[in-house]
Amino acid sequence: DAGITQSPRHKVTETGTPVTLRCHQTENHRYMYWYRQDPGHGLRLIHYSYGVKDTDKGEVSDGYSVSRSKTEDFLLTLESATSSQTSVYFCAISSSERSTDTQYFGPGTRLTVL
Amino acid sequence: DAKTTQPNSMESNEEEPVHLPCNHSTISGTDYIHWYRQLPSQGPEYVIHGLTSNVNNRMASLAIAEDRKSSTLILHRATLRDAAVYYCILRDVSETSGSRLTFGEGTQLTVNP
Repeated sequence: DAGITQSPRHKVTETGTPVTLRCHQTENHRYMYWYRQDPGHGLRLIHYSYGVKDTDKGEVSDGYSVSRSKTEDFLLTLESATSSQTSVYFCAISSSERSTDTQYFGPGTRLTVL
Repeated sequence: DAKTTQPNSMESNEEEPVHLPCNHSTISGTDYIHWYRQLPSQGPEYVIHGLTSNVNNRMASLAIAEDRKSSTLILHRATLRDAAVYYCILRDVSETSGSRLTFGEGTQLTVNP
């Protein structure tokens, strides 16, 4: 299994509070991604990173920010959590952006915003 | 991104082969066909990918139609552990999409003992 951990694995928070989710990898892969998954839906890309300090938006980036100060860590921040951000969040990594390359996913973080 | 169409659900019996279909009638010449699966309460995992020729690996086989408008993921002997949601995904080499994966709703495979 690829060395990807996510923390916390579960979190319950209240509307309006800031929340930061962490993704840590030991594979030294350049590319990292944050997805969210909601019931009845596939995964949707929030943000991704193509190197240290290099990030870009995905299809559902509103309300989220990211930071990558080290190759191994990719942080997802909800500045002011809302109930619509209740979801399961998955981090993924890949070594390149070639269309033949594989993405490896972390175990997920289940976030509940009350 | 080109769209894929998969059945919402399928059932199989343990130790029998399973054929999971995927239609992608608008596929472009540079799209690779990827399959991922997601076991319950886990992140997705890569299964297999191909461009034009049929592909085999230790997990599964991928059969690609000659016109590339459809493909089939084949699990040769289903086990209970193969119960998962299977996603068929097209990935192209365009600069705008980079390496992002665009997930649909996938096929929920149930394996009966």
